[in-house]
Amino acid sequence: SQTIHQWPATLVQPVGSPLSLECTVEGTSNPNLYWYRQAAGRGLQLLFYSVGIGQISSEVPQNLSASRPQDRQFILSSKKLLLSDSGFYLCAWSVLGGHNSPLHFGNGTRLTVT
Amino acid sequence: KNQVEQSPQSLIILEGKNCTLQCNYTVSPFSNLRWYKQDTGRGPVSLTIMTFSENTKSNRRYTATLDADTKQSSLHITASQLSDSASYICVVSGGKAAGNKLTFGGGTRVLVKP
Repeated sequence: SQTIHQWPATLVQPVGSPLSLECTVEGTSNPNLYWYRQAAGRGLQLLFYSVGIGQISSEVPQNLSASRPQDRQFILSSKKLLLSDSGFYLCAWSVLGGHNSPLHFGNGTRLTVT
Repeated sequence: KNQVEQSPQSLIILEGKNCTLQCNYTVSPFSNLRWYKQDTGRGPVSLTIMTFSENTKSNRRYTATLDADTKQSSLHITASQLSDSASYICVVSGGKAAGNKLTFGGGTRVLVKP
């Protein structure tokens, strides 16, 4: 069966510090991979998605970047965090090309920038 | 502008009672509509996916309906249990024609009390 791992679960970082959140998927090959941010009471916002190694699409301009160094690894990074980067970050995967397939989410990282 | 509106924002029900959550959308083109359950501090989990031709779909005690003409969906929870306490998120997909873009609702927070 497929599983998705996301870590850390919580993170407190000072403004201006770097960030690296990691997500890995097991039990499937060539997945679509996604990073979302969820603000309280609001819909999930798509930050990045990837259809293959090294292929990253960004949905919104921001202080963050993403990389996919391996087929089932997706990393969210920042060189210098801002207060506005605080939030709940979710990694997800779906079947490549499966537009009627569900997203499978990790359990998220709660990031607090102080 | 593509939007997904959910109502109510929150509700409290007694254990064993039924409830219905609403989702109205203005997304076009339309490919499918999804309902997710999100426990506090966890990632969303898929409950149902409904395509244009499906009017109703059940998953255990959850029954989703879709009226593609009026662009409305509902999620009915039967004989609620304490474990149903969660946020329920409605998501609409534009499918291939829209680059598989997903539009998320803000969710309905359900609290089941004993």
